Amino acid sequence: DIQMTQSPSTLSASVGDRVTITCRANWGIGNWLAWYQQKPGKAPKLLIYKTSSLESGVPSRFSGSGYGTEFTLTITSLQPDDFATYYCQHYNSYPWTFGQGTKVEIK
Amino acid sequence: QVQLQESGPGLVKPSQTLSLTCTVSGGSISSGDYYWNWIRQHPGRGLEWIAHISYTGYTYYNPSLKSRVTISSDTSKDQFSLKLSSLTVADGAMYYCARARGDNKPVDLWGQGTLVTVSS
Repeated sequence: DIQMTQSPSTLSASVGDRVTITCRANWGIGNWLAWYQQKPGKAPKLLIYKTSSLESGVPSRFSGSGYGTEFTLTITSLQPDDFATYYCQHYNSYPWTFGQGTKVEIK
Repeated sequence: QVQLQESGPGLVKPSQTLSLTCTVSGGSISSGDYYWNWIRQHPGRGLEWIAHISYTGYTYYNPSLKSRVTISSDTSKDQFSLKLSSLTVADGAMYYCARARGDNKPVDLWGQGTLVTVSS
């Protein structure tokens, strides 16, 4: 299985901050990477797919980049609605696997 | 719009078989190129992809669970189902059904999830 490792596990930030989350794969996955946002008690929500494509309806302050084994999710100006847990997921090969999550909390 | 809804028992005993069903409304599971997935999340932990079934009936399982898992679909009811056998306490989790846009495509739609507890 391809292992996905996110860092940091927890991130404390303030509204307006620029936030970057890193996701590393232990094997090359090309650009077959998605990012999800999950709020407590809710299902995950797709934010970005194919590394950098923004899902319809997702604010443009979210962006993704990377290729191969290292990827980033950036939120350019953190909003109150963005405090949540973020997961990366590869879909390059089976089984699909997720990172362990990064919780973005209020500083 | 398309919605997914999980159903099944909230409490099952160890060694038993869990049966969950996902009902797709607002669309057909046999139209488009979609893959229909089961994903679980242990309390306070990350996400684990379990299996999926395609619109043509092609299935793929997570090797870590393959010996205990069966995924199937009923296109006449726009439902797909999960069976997980030989349950242990470690199988207690939130189970989500979800839609992927196809093979090598992201999961773009999730059900609300159903919490399963394994306890005697």
